[in-house]
Amino acid sequence: AQSVTQLDSQVPVFEEAPVELRCNYSSSVSVYLFWYVQYPNQGLQLLLKYLSGSTLVESINGFEAEFNKSQTSFHLRKPSVHISDTAEYFCAVSNTGGFKTIFGAGTRLFVKA
Amino acid sequence: SQTIHQWPATLVQPVGSPLSLECTVEGTSNPNLYWYRQAAGRGLQLLFYSVGIGQISSEVPQNLSASRPQDRQFILSSKKLLLSDSGFYLCAWNLGVFEDGYTFGSGTRLTVV
Repeated sequence: AQSVTQLDSQVPVFEEAPVELRCNYSSSVSVYLFWYVQYPNQGLQLLLKYLSGSTLVESINGFEAEFNKSQTSFHLRKPSVHISDTAEYFCAVSNTGGFKTIFGAGTRLFVKA
Repeated sequence: SQTIHQWPATLVQPVGSPLSLECTVEGTSNPNLYWYRQAAGRGLQLLFYSVGIGQISSEVPQNLSASRPQDRQFILSSKKLLLSDSGFYLCAWNLGVFEDGYTFGSGTRLTVV
């Protein structure tokens, strides 16, 4: 069985500061890894994903995540956050042959001026 | 381009009343369809998924049911709502290619009173 643990439920940070949102997963098979972002009262949007190859993946708005197989982690980082990054972020994992994706409990990022 | 529509956006229903939430996808054929529920601080819980018309798989036994009467239509129902059914309901789709992740609808906020 697979599981996803997001280690922080809330992360407050000042604008222009760096941030890391942590995600660990458990799986006995090969996986795809995803980060989604959810703005208030909206659905989730795919932010970035790791499928294979380079362990560092990037999004168009400056976020990046690194797949670490030995530590079974897929932490999300941004070197300088903006107020508009305030949202809830979900880490997710799906096995490469399955129909389902398992989501973490979410991390609420709150960027303060 | 593909779009997903979910309605209503908000709903307040008394305990014991019926429920019908609808989700439709445009611009694609034979999508995999999913219903998730999001409770505060608990991430996303997969309720149902469907890989074709009339094919419904239930993940969580409860007083909810799902139907897929048409290829791109997915309906979540209940005959009698419970207080515990309150939450944010999200519909999602993909083409069974899990590398692409999911596309989510904008969600329905259900409050059972």
